[in-house]
Amino acid sequence: GNSVTQMEGPVTLSEEAFLTINCTYTATGYPSLFWYVQYPGEGLQLLLKATKADDKGSNKGFEATYRKETTSFHLEKGSVQVSDSAVYFCALKNIGNEKLTFGTGTRLTIIP
Amino acid sequence: GAVVSQHPSWVICKSGTSVKIECRSLDFQATTMFWYRQFPKQSLMLMATSNEGSKATYEQGVEKDKFLINHASLTLSTLTVTSAHPEDSSFYICSARRDRGTYEQYFGPGTRLTVT
Repeated sequence: GNSVTQMEGPVTLSEEAFLTINCTYTATGYPSLFWYVQYPGEGLQLLLKATKADDKGSNKGFEATYRKETTSFHLEKGSVQVSDSAVYFCALKNIGNEKLTFGTGTRLTIIP
Repeated sequence: GAVVSQHPSWVICKSGTSVKIECRSLDFQATTMFWYRQFPKQSLMLMATSNEGSKATYEQGVEKDKFLINHASLTLSTLTVTSAHPEDSSFYICSARRDRGTYEQYFGPGTRLTVT
């Protein structure tokens, strides 16, 4: 079956630091990969996605590249801001299936 | 943007009682909605897929008589936890899949249920 393993948190960084949150997956076929972000008191929001190998998803300065050879989809940002403090979830979905499989979430705190 | 609300945001109930959680898509129609459960420090686990006008589809291991789902309109799905027990205490999250465009799922903010 499908599974997603992501970096355990919490992660605390100083403003303008470089961010990496690791995510690896196990899936049958060729899944689509997602990063969701949950800000305090709000629902999960789609941050970025990639639907095939070597695709790079990007949004709000965040990037992640679909690496089939390493079954990874690591989230990166070159310079984080306090407003990036949130919980980040890696997820996957198989083609033709609505079901999302989530990782455990990584809480990120950015200090000024 | 597409907004999904949940009500209540938190609820405390006694063992043996039932509690209803509402999930609404505020500015779009959603034939399909999803209910997830999240335990502390664990991932979201899909409980069931709710389809307007038909019976919900439950994931393996989820008791359909325990977690009643009703999707009565294109903007509202409800989850009723019947005869609640302390082990049902959890964070319940819904999402609604937009009927048009990208068919993306939009998530509600979640409901914290505590059963005493």
